[in-house]
Amino acid sequence: QQPVQSPQAVILREGEDAVINCSSSKALYSVHWYRQKHGEAPVFLMILLKGGEQKGHDKISASFNEKKQQSSLYLTASQLSYSGTYFCGTTTGTYKYIFGTGTRLKVLA
Amino acid sequence: DVKVTQSSRYLVKRTGEKVFLECVQDMDHENMFWYRQDPGLGLRLIYFSYDVKMKEKGDIPEGYSVSREKKERFSLILESASTNQTSMYLCASTAGLAGYNEQFFGPGTRLTVL
Repeated sequence: QQPVQSPQAVILREGEDAVINCSSSKALYSVHWYRQKHGEAPVFLMILLKGGEQKGHDKISASFNEKKQQSSLYLTASQLSYSGTYFCGTTTGTYKYIFGTGTRLKVLA
Repeated sequence: DVKVTQSSRYLVKRTGEKVFLECVQDMDHENMFWYRQDPGLGLRLIYFSYDVKMKEKGDIPEGYSVSREKKERFSLILESASTNQTSMYLCASTAGLAGYNEQFFGPGTRLTVL
């Protein structure tokens, strides 16, 4: 079953903050976050691993609550370049990913 | 610069045709994946492979098969294309333990089946 992302869509002004949530019904090994701009391939943002390790871009922050099987992506002081669709991908083991349905984010000048 | 390439950006086929989608990665990654992306449904895993000649079904394998004869190449095959297979197809690869490492995606192939 796909993880549930919320909100489905959000519109911001430049400089505003946003939080995107990802919730799974299964115990998770890791949560991955990707951003996809229209017509382009998804691009890696961050990995959060069970046990607390994180790998990703310095300007992106996220959290992973293992007990609740939830992750949140924090976008602060948003820029126009942040626009796109954000996907969380979850793994319950070492190979298989399940992606959420995506959150469309639009940043306006 | 690391790359995942897909054989076509756009493809138009007729119902019943056999369709091959090719994916090549130049990063020596062990794991390769095929997803389809549809509006409102996100990315759904069709098949993945963690080694040459090895394959595992994903969440929506019906109507698809795959082939991995070489480490760098992963092919998706639609044995008899149908209109409900019209979609964007994305290939991805990752190194080592897939849950631990980022995926690199190709640019996608938009397939239309008439």
